[in-house]
Amino acid sequence: KNQVEQSPQSLIILEGKNCTLQCNYTVSPFSNLRWYKQDTGRGPVSLTIMTFSENTKSNGRYTATLDADTKQSSLHITASQLSDSASYICVVSDRGSTLGRLYFGRGTQLTVWP
Amino acid sequence: EADIYQTPRYLVIGTGKKITLECSQTMGHDKMYWYQQDPGMELHLIHYSYGVNSTEKGDLSSESTVSRIRTEHFPLTLESARPSHTSQYLCASSAPGDRALSNTQYFGPGTRLTVL
Repeated sequence: KNQVEQSPQSLIILEGKNCTLQCNYTVSPFSNLRWYKQDTGRGPVSLTIMTFSENTKSNGRYTATLDADTKQSSLHITASQLSDSASYICVVSDRGSTLGRLYFGRGTQLTVWP
Repeated sequence: EADIYQTPRYLVIGTGKKITLECSQTMGHDKMYWYQQDPGMELHLIHYSYGVNSTEKGDLSSESTVSRIRTEHFPLTLESARPSHTSQYLCASSAPGDRALSNTQYFGPGTRLTVL
């Protein structure tokens, strides 16, 4: 069964600190993996996208890594800011059909305290 | 920020009412989607469209219906709302390409629906 599991479910850190969010998936055959940021009451916004051949991708203070062998990804946030408080969602797509379906994790709820 | 809009943002209605959630995008995207999201849970695809006059049901069974008469507009309708329909509804679109759903999707702000 194609699944995406994220950990931790929630995380509280102090402003300025770094943190790492985890994503494990069983989606096969794999096409790509995205990290989305979803602010409370808003729609998700794409942060990074990685294909099978990419093992790291950065977007400002966000750095995503991918290990396609172990089917794991991480999102590292450097020097956190209050505006980083949001849910971070890992999304994996397959290439097993013409539809290329997306599989969503439940997200990690990050809270940054001043 | 993506040019995709949803109205209303919040809606509280009584059981049995007919409602339509509006979604429109100005990016010329051919593919559009509707997702349902409960707090702390993953997004579930309930409807999608490859283009005008094309609509398909998603992975999660839903009593809602959709239509795609114009490229930019993808409304979702509930004929008779029930408390079990209380949820967040997110609309998304993605750029022209092949028929795969895996293109990057741009999301609207969502409609939070509460049925009493």
